Amino acid sequence: QKEVEQNSGPLSVPEGAIASLNCTYSDRGSQSFFWYRQYSGKSPELIMSIYSNGDKEDGRFTAQLNKASQYVSLLIRDSQPSDSATYLCAVKGLETPLVFGKGTRLSVIA
Amino acid sequence: DADVTQTPRNRITKTGKRIMLECSQTKGHDRMYWYRQDPGLGLRLIYYSFDVKDINKGEISDGYSVSRQAQAKFSLSLESAIPNQTALYFCATSDGQSYEQYFGPGTRLTVT
Repeated sequence: QKEVEQNSGPLSVPEGAIASLNCTYSDRGSQSFFWYRQYSGKSPELIMSIYSNGDKEDGRFTAQLNKASQYVSLLIRDSQPSDSATYLCAVKGLETPLVFGKGTRLSVIA
Repeated sequence: DADVTQTPRNRITKTGKRIMLECSQTKGHDRMYWYRQDPGLGLRLIYYSFDVKDINKGEISDGYSVSRQAQAKFSLSLESAIPNQTALYFCATSDGQSYEQYFGPGTRLTVT
C-alpha cells in the first residue's frame, strides 16, 4: 500500500509569517508530486505540481522536493487569513494513480 | 462555466435505494476519477477510467459501480445505498501528461 503522510495539524501561524507544510511518501518510484488547497466543504484546488528535485516557486508558494529523502514540502510566504484551509499532498507512482495524504489544516491568525 | 460539473450537488436517500451520481467535463481530458471524502480519512479512490473502454477499481470499489458513457461523462452508481456510504463525493479529471487532477464541486450524499 503506497502511503503519503502529513501532519494533520492544526498548524497555526501569524499573518505575514511563513507557513511550512510537510509530506513524506513511501513509494520510492514516485515521479509526480502535487499540492492542493481545500476549503471546508469545497473541492480540492491544485496549487503546485513538482516533478524534479529542488525548489519551484509560484507567487507566494514554493514547493520543495527531495526524492532521496522521499520528502516534499510547501512554503507559503506572507501568510494571509485567506490561506487558512486544509492542504493536501498527492503523489503519483509509476503504475498507480494519485495517492493523497489526509491533509494538514493551516490556520493563519490575523 | 465550470470545467468539471457534478450532479446532483446534494442528495438524501434511504437505505437500499439505487442512486447515480453524474460527472461531466469540458477539459478534454481522457482520464476521470471518482473519490469519496470522509472526515479523518482523506480522499479515497473508488474507480478510475483512462479512456472510454478502460475502467479500473480503486481502493474502495465495493458497493459501487461506474459507467463511462463518453470521454466527457463518468457516472458513479450505488446499487443499494447503505448509511456508511454517507460522504462527500468528488469527480476529477486529468490528462496523461502532467497527471494534474482537477476536481468537480462535489456531491454531498446522505443515506438514512
